[in-house]
Amino acid sequence: DAGVIQSPRHEVTEMGQEVTLRCKPISGHNSLFWYRQTMMRGLELLIYFNNNVPIDDSGMPEDRFSAKMPNASFSTLKIQPSEPRDSAVYFCASSLLTNSYNEQFFGPGTRLTVL
Amino acid sequence: GDSVTQMEGPVTLSEEAFLTINCTYTATGYPSLFWYVQYPGEGLQLLLKATKADDKGSNKGFEATYRKETTSFHLEKGSVQVSDSAVYFCALSQIQGAQKLVFGQGTRLTINP
Repeated sequence: DAGVIQSPRHEVTEMGQEVTLRCKPISGHNSLFWYRQTMMRGLELLIYFNNNVPIDDSGMPEDRFSAKMPNASFSTLKIQPSEPRDSAVYFCASSLLTNSYNEQFFGPGTRLTVL
Repeated sequence: GDSVTQMEGPVTLSEEAFLTINCTYTATGYPSLFWYVQYPGEGLQLLLKATKADDKGSNKGFEATYRKETTSFHLEKGSVQVSDSAVYFCALSQIQGAQKLVFGQGTRLTINP
């Protein structure tokens, strides 16, 4: 299995531009999580999906952020317009939701720099 | 709400030293507890877990015991190696519901040869 795949690995953009981050979860997993990691705030959960449905987006910083999961094998996190304070590493993780805890598998992350 | 507190880093040790990274938590009910590790330039990986009180999780020479009376899950290793240099995250999850993880702030560990 290829694991969780994220693209791009690095993104450099200018303030005001739209940014789209992509994630392909592990096949068969039914939960998907988007995290943001910064030095100041550590690792924050932004949003998660169960069976392609957004369950909790309370971690999304503001309306400039949006996430979609059109099918079980693909999700996007979009920032429009981007700002320098959005610079961070964004991780996607997937897991198989059952009655007992199952490990979350993380992708390698997308390092976003907004100039 | 639920929260996790880890010892402040960074931590620097010599090879073969004994390692302890402290972790305490605040949560309702009986959460599961985890240690994740992040090597440079990579995503997080599950290192070990414990799902109930007095359980001991272990992997790659690392151990942690779920102590409900002290709400702690300290990570230990008897003899660290240079390859253990990474950032370590303590986390908890409630089994009921979406099983989302609540992370501590992370502890950066550097092992010198």
